[in-house]
Amino acid sequence: QIQLVQSGPELKKPGESVKISCKASGYTFTNYGMYWVKQAPGQGLQYMGWINTETGKPTYADDFKGRFVFFLETSASTAYLQINNLKNEDMATYFCARSPMGISPYYFDYWGQGVMVTVSS
Amino acid sequence: DIQMTQSPASLSASLGETVTIECLASEDIYDILAWYQQKPGKSPQLLIYDASSLHTGVPSRFSGSGSGTQYSLKINSLQPEDFASYYCQNGLSAPLTFGSGTKLEIK
Repeated sequence: QIQLVQSGPELKKPGESVKISCKASGYTFTNYGMYWVKQAPGQGLQYMGWINTETGKPTYADDFKGRFVFFLETSASTAYLQINNLKNEDMATYFCARSPMGISPYYFDYWGQGVMVTVSS
Repeated sequence: DIQMTQSPASLSASLGETVTIECLASEDIYDILAWYQQKPGKSPQLLIYDASSLHTGVPSRFSGSGSGTQYSLKINSLQPEDFASYYCQNGLSAPLTFGSGTKLEIK
């Protein structure tokens, strides 16, 4: 069955970095883009961007340019989100989700379980 | 960027009632719209895509409609498991914006 399994919760200090993984199984990894969505505590869903799993090219939404990095380990069918120089406002749950690549429509039919990142000094 | 304005932000209803949630896009999205349900502590689940197509396994009491810039999600005969948050999503073009969400609570 199709699954996206994310890594566990993280507790970090401001200024540190965090790396979150999203391991895909049950489908051909390179047939679907991997997308990232942020959800701050008690808030809604915020689109962060995506990575082309064929080429490795990331595309970031405007609010996530600079400190956020998407990358792949294609041999392991795994996508990663790294957040550098963590700030208090990065404290949130981060979801990965898949969608077909290339052309619209872009819908997320499978999601990871989410990773809670806590930022506290 | 396409903005998605969702209403209401919260809604109280009783078991068995019918409710409707609205989503307004800032420009025509040609029915390329999805609805998701999210329960506390869980990931969102796709309910409806292409504005009105039910995703696999979703009960028929859920329905979507609309066109152009105006869309709605209707839930008939509310069941206990339907009390959750709901989000619309622009699936047409990046950034793939979400509505701000509607929290459906039991009255």
